Amino acid sequence: DVKVTQSSRYLVKRTGEKVFLECVQDMDHENMFWYRQDPGLGLRLIYFSYDVKMKEKGDIPEGYSVSREKKERFSLILESASTNQTSMYLCASSLAGGSLTYEQYFGPGTRLTVT
Amino acid sequence: DAKTTQPNSMESNEEEPVHLPCNHSTISGTDYIHWYRQLPSQGPEYVIHGLTSNVNNRMASLAIAEDRKSSTLILHRATLRDAAVYYCILRSMDSNYQLIWGAGTKLIIKP
Repeated sequence: DVKVTQSSRYLVKRTGEKVFLECVQDMDHENMFWYRQDPGLGLRLIYFSYDVKMKEKGDIPEGYSVSREKKERFSLILESASTNQTSMYLCASSLAGGSLTYEQYFGPGTRLTVT
Repeated sequence: DAKTTQPNSMESNEEEPVHLPCNHSTISGTDYIHWYRQLPSQGPEYVIHGLTSNVNNRMASLAIAEDRKSSTLILHRATLRDAAVYYCILRSMDSNYQLIWGAGTKLIIKP
């Protein structure tokens, strides 16, 4: 089974802190994704990566950056956390290629609270 | 981006079939219909996908209307473990193969 793990289930940080969220997948997937999920808004894509060191902005990249130095690991960085970044953060991975059929596999999520 | 419309919530009795509707009137010919679900306190999980024909797998069935403007996810015998938010998503080449998520349908299963 595909396994996507995230470094923390719950995280509390202060405004202005630098925050790292890490995601690891064990199925050699090329694509990895970071979403945030807020009540009533569904999942919104922050960034995705289709290969090591490659990244593309999603719908809401402002205030975030990402790093993918190894194929299995994709990190989300909040350079200076703000209270409006309090949210559930979800990481996902999938096979690459132009297929519209490949499913995404999700981690359990990290609930980040910025105070 | 093509969008989907789902009811906010539905209720069903345990061990009965559940039909979850989804409207996607602006679907294009190459868009795939994907369904995911999210159990409480978990990340979403893939359920099923289809293009034109009805599809079955171990989790559910997907019935796609002939004009493709709507689809229905069918859980043949719901259990309490099926209580989740179900998302109907169109996957489009226009959106760079991304999944565009809506608000989903919260399915409540009554024992």
